Amino acid sequence: EPEVTQTPSHQVTQMGQEVILRCVPISNHLYFYWYRQILGQKVEFLVSFYNNEISEKSEIFDDQFSVERPDGSNFTLKIRSTKLEDSAMYFCASKEGLAARNIQYFGAGTRLSVL
Amino acid sequence: DQQVKQNSPSLSVQEGRISILNCDYTNSMFDYFLWYKKYPAEGPTFLISISSIKDKNEDGRFTVFLNKSAKHLSLHIVPSQPGDSAVYFCAASGKAAGNKLTFGGGTRVLVKP
Repeated sequence: EPEVTQTPSHQVTQMGQEVILRCVPISNHLYFYWYRQILGQKVEFLVSFYNNEISEKSEIFDDQFSVERPDGSNFTLKIRSTKLEDSAMYFCASKEGLAARNIQYFGAGTRLSVL
Repeated sequence: DQQVKQNSPSLSVQEGRISILNCDYTNSMFDYFLWYKKYPAEGPTFLISISSIKDKNEDGRFTVFLNKSAKHLSLHIVPSQPGDSAVYFCAASGKAAGNKLTFGGGTRVLVKP
């Protein structure tokens, strides 16, 4: 069964360093998303991406964050200068076109630990 | 952000019995609702969904009920099995095609053998 793949599963970094979280969405999907879950809190939307551009972003997704789809398969989230409060599970999700309604399929997540 | 709320953080049920999970929302623009199941160290897994034009959707042991006037939905699992032990998230989205999901805080279900 097709699945969303995320790497790495765990990333440890020093405050102020740049990190890139990688995702391979399901191959025929058109919409891509990043969410995060801080320990003990809700899953929160960060950004959605369609047709090679951001379609929506949350207040969390400030200038320190960026997303890219550098080729036909990868979808990345970059945090330029990590802060302690960026420590969270980051989930990538993808969705087919309109006919599939808004069923988003999630990867297993990357645990980001900022020290 | 309290637009989607799951008021019960946990639920314990005997194997074979019914599990009922509840979810409330405040945003009347939501038109599509989903339930996800999450095991530790895994991402949310889609379980079942319902459009706002329906009041019930059934898939095997799982049934979702939607009460739009009360802005309330519920997930029924019958019969509950030990493998159903997980965290269940309610999520909602609006009408736009690529619209974000807004999640509830989750309910941890424990099914006892």
